[in-house]
Amino acid sequence: EAQVTQNPRYLITVTGKKLTVTCSQNMNHEYMSWYRQDPGLGLRQIYYSMNVEVTDKGDVPEGYKVSRKEKRNFPLILESPSPNQTSLYFCASSSLGLAGNTGELFFGEGSRLTVL
Amino acid sequence: DQQVKQNSPSLSVQEGRISILNCDYTNSMFDYFLWYKKYPAEGPTFLISISSIKDKNEDGRFTVFLNKSAKHLSLHIVPSQPGDSAVYFCAANTGRGSNYKLTFGKGTLLTVNP
Repeated sequence: EAQVTQNPRYLITVTGKKLTVTCSQNMNHEYMSWYRQDPGLGLRQIYYSMNVEVTDKGDVPEGYKVSRKEKRNFPLILESPSPNQTSLYFCASSSLGLAGNTGELFFGEGSRLTVL
Repeated sequence: DQQVKQNSPSLSVQEGRISILNCDYTNSMFDYFLWYKKYPAEGPTFLISISSIKDKNEDGRFTVFLNKSAKHLSLHIVPSQPGDSAVYFCAANTGRGSNYKLTFGKGTLLTVNP
């Protein structure tokens, strides 16, 4: 079954304690991205990756890091989480065809993070 | 600056009637528009899209209309069903390859009442 898998689905942590949210896709997609969803703000892009070892900032990258060492995995790293990073996080992936990416993303189920 | 705007946070319609969700954009470089649907506790799922070279695209009960001169698109759901109750996100992208970027609106919560 084609899917994007995120872990953990739920996490409560404390300020400053490093954490990683993993994301894995089994569709051999080149493109992967992280979004956060906050009330009244919709989905905002944190980081994205066009392929292995190619990453770039989205609209709200501050406080986050990513890496793309393998095509299927795109972990989101919070080196020193703060309460303003409490949010619902979504990982997404998509293929990049010859005509480019039309935006038909496949999303994971989300990871709800609370930073106390 | 919000480039994709969904000005109605919520919409309520009766089952069987038409649902019309609206979206405005400001970036004239957007060349592809999409609608995503999101149920609680799930990730968004792709619903329907339209290229900027078209003004209409249909898929079953769902039709998206694009008015480029007004920088406006709308999603029509006919007839609406209770299972359509969800948050609908409008999204737009620009560029291909290394310049690819997808921008989302804030979403509209649709409630279809039986």
